[in-house]
Amino acid sequence: QLQLQESGPGMVKPSETLSLTCIVSDDSLSDNNYYWAWIRQPPGKGLEWIGSFYDGGITYYNPSLKSRVSMYLDTSKNQFSLRLASVIAADTAVYFCARHNKRAVLDPWGQGTLVTVSS
Amino acid sequence: DIQMTQSPSSLSASLGDRVTIRCRASQSISSHVNWYQQKPGKAPNLLIYGASSLQSGVPSRFRGSGSGTDFTLTISSLQPEDFATYYCQQSFSNSPYTFGQGTKLEIK
Repeated sequence: QLQLQESGPGMVKPSETLSLTCIVSDDSLSDNNYYWAWIRQPPGKGLEWIGSFYDGGITYYNPSLKSRVSMYLDTSKNQFSLRLASVIAADTAVYFCARHNKRAVLDPWGQGTLVTVSS
Repeated sequence: DIQMTQSPSSLSASLGDRVTIRCRASQSISSHVNWYQQKPGKAPNLLIYGASSLQSGVPSRFRGSGSGTDFTLTISSLQPEDFATYYCQQSFSNSPYTFGQGTKLEIK
């Protein structure tokens, strides 16, 4: 059964770049039937879609974050990454990685990792 | 953005109760709605996709329905493990995909 695991620093300073990696337990990163996504959840709040991409090269980002977001895929390492530039306190959240199909059904999810933006 | 509005925001119910959670989209989205359950400190877990299809392994007491702008998630007989927060998500438009604000289901 596919498993996803996020990793990265738990704290980032304001104005710096948040970088996270999601390790995928099988080879499905190269399967063009799947997309790979990042979603975040501020403490005590709801879910926000950050963006998605797949190995075919299509990416789409939440317009509210598009100017600061980039995503990368490394199939040789079975992992994909998120970078969010110029972070502010409002970017403090649990960040989840997930796989979805072409119908944007998210399954499975990683366990999530808390990133705090603080000086 | 397509706005997804869930109601109620919170709900108290007893074991064995039947509960219904509603989700309304700001425009017609056909049947492109998915439902997730989230327990504290955990990732969301897929329950229902395509408005009414039950994800493999999910108990049959969970049922999804609706199309267009109005959708419901019904739990037919609450079990202890069902007390959690539930989210709807629209998968009609990727600009961006959006979630409802969540419904917290608590024990009465």
